[in-house]
Order: sequence, then structure tokens, then C-alpha cells
Amino acid sequence: SQQGEEDPQALSIQEGENATMNCSYKTSINNLQWYRQNSGRGLVHLILIRSNEREKHSGRLRVTLDTSKKSSSLLITASRAADTASYFCATVNREYGNKLVFGAGTILRVKS
Amino acid sequence: DVKVTQSSRYLVKRTGEKVFLECVQDMDHENMFWYRQDPGLGLRLIYFSYDVKMKEKGDIPEGYSVSREKKERFSLILESASTNQTSMYLCASTVGGQGKTQYFGPGTRLLVL
Repeated sequence: SQQGEEDPQALSIQEGENATMNCSYKTSINNLQWYRQNSGRGLVHLILIRSNEREKHSGRLRVTLDTSKKSSSLLITASRAADTASYFCATVNREYGNKLVFGAGTILRVKS
Repeated sequence: DVKVTQSSRYLVKRTGEKVFLECVQDMDHENMFWYRQDPGLGLRLIYFSYDVKMKEKGDIPEGYSVSREKKERFSLILESASTNQTSMYLCASTVGGQGKTQYFGPGTRLLVL
């Protein structure tokens, strides 16, 4: 399987703290995407980082990509209770027909 | 905003029934996808379609079929539902080539008894 793997599987933090989630993958990629899923709902796209990019920001989100280590991290700064959700990384690579391959996700709980 | 809708949020069916899950997107996207989501396994691709009447198998197509008669609508069919098809089903669409951002529907939670 070329599935990405998120780490940790679950994370519980206090409101205001930063949350870091990691994603590792196995093959070379075209891009890597992060999605959020609120309980029982569909996924919402957060950010896309291309293989030639090392860091990307969007509001309180910061994504890094290290292609030499085949890993990415998602940092949420100053977390809020509304950030409570599951977070998934998804990789895209030509060998897999440029389809998204999702990891199993990290469950984030932000306590108020 | 892109809107992807799914015909049902919750569905309960009996083993052996034929089940139709419908997905509609309103942004003229070429590509549409059906995934199932199970705890600890993430999302797994069942089928996808890159054009009307075109379809390709994903990773787990067994027990499923699809239909895309119109660009905006992509249907997932369980020919004879089984208990191991109890799952969350998610539809998504995207513009242009694959590997772009996908827009997801709210999901259908299917229970097969």
C-alpha cells in the first residue's frame, strides 16, 4: 500500500496550545494535501503543498514538507475548541495515476 | 462555493437489497469519486469517473458498480448489499486533472442488517 501514515493517532490539547500532526509516506509525490473532517461529516480541504515547496501557511495553519524524509507536518497554532476534528494527509503521485491516497488520520481534541 | 450533495445522510438496508447512493456536484467538475471510510483505515477509493459514461476501478471495487449518465451526477450501486459494506460513503469531485483539491459531500452512513 502507498498509504500515508499519520502520527499520532490521537492528540488531546488545551485551547490556546499548538497542535502538531505528522504524516509519512512511501513513494515520491507530486503534492501532499491536508484535509479536516468534523465528526460524521465530509472532508474539507485545508492546504496543498507541492513537492518543490518546503513550507506553506494558511491562517493558523503551517505545513512543512521534507521530501528527503518523505514526511510532512501540519501545525495548528493557538488552537480552538472548533479545531476538534480528524485530520488526514493525502498524497498524490504519478505511479498511482495521480489519485489521492489518504492516511488513517489523526483525531485532534481541543479542550476548552 | 462548490457544493457536493449526497442523497441520504443515513441509510439502513437489509442484506441482499440493491442500494443506490447518489452524488451531485454543481461546479461542472470532470472528475468524481466514491470512497468508503472505516475506522483505522482512512478513505479507500471504490470507483472514480473522469467523464460522462467513463469509469475506472479504484482500490476496492468488489461488490460495487457505478453510473455516470450526466456530468453532475455520479451514482454508487451496491448490487446485493452485505453486512461488510456497512460503512461511511463519501463522494468527491474535482476539476481538471487528478491530484487536484477534492471537494467532498457530507457522507452517507450506511448500515446493512
